[in-house]
Amino acid sequence: AQSVTQPDARVTVSEGASLQLRCKYSYSGTPYLFWYVQYPRQGLQLLLKYYSGDPVVQGVNGFEAEFIKSNSSFHLRKASVHWSDSAVYFCAPGGGNEKITFGAGTKLTIKP
Amino acid sequence: DMKVTQMPRYLIKRMGENVLLECGQDMSHETMYWYRQDPGLGLQLIYISYDVDSNSEGDIPKGYRVSRKKREHFSLILDSAKTNQTSVYFCASSIRDRAYEQYFGPGTRLTVL
Repeated sequence: AQSVTQPDARVTVSEGASLQLRCKYSYSGTPYLFWYVQYPRQGLQLLLKYYSGDPVVQGVNGFEAEFIKSNSSFHLRKASVHWSDSAVYFCAPGGGNEKITFGAGTKLTIKP
Repeated sequence: DMKVTQMPRYLIKRMGENVLLECGQDMSHETMYWYRQDPGLGLQLIYISYDVDSNSEGDIPKGYRVSRKKREHFSLILDSAKTNQTSVYFCASSIRDRAYEQYFGPGTRLTVL
């Protein structure tokens, strides 16, 4: 069975600062890895995805994530956040059975 | 325009009443999903549908059933709703070969009193 941990329920960052949202997964093989974002009063949207190859993957709006197999991690990063990045971010590994496991989410607040 | 729609967006029911949540998609996606979202728990998979009349239980199917008679339409039914089914329900769809790249609807906020 696969599981995912997002250790930070809430993160607050000043606008223009860099960001890292942490994600660790537990899976017996190499999972496919995803980050989804949920803006207020909306459904989730796919932010970025990793299937194989280059462990650093780029997503929309300047987000990137790095797959580190030795650490079972897939942290999300952004060099300079904008107020519009305020949202809830979900890390989600997929394990070959067509089902995603969603983390509990990290609520990101951007301070002006 | 690729879209997943959900109706209604908000619903208040009394315990014991039946509930019907509807989901539609205009992308001809084979696979559709129902999730519920509760604070601190992320999304939990209730049911997955691989195509018309091809449905499979997810992680928390108890108290729910589904119906898919057309590829573009997927319903979630709560027979005799319970207060612990108060939640936000999301529908999603995906291409069969890209099951992890899901398109989500805006959600239905259900309150069971």
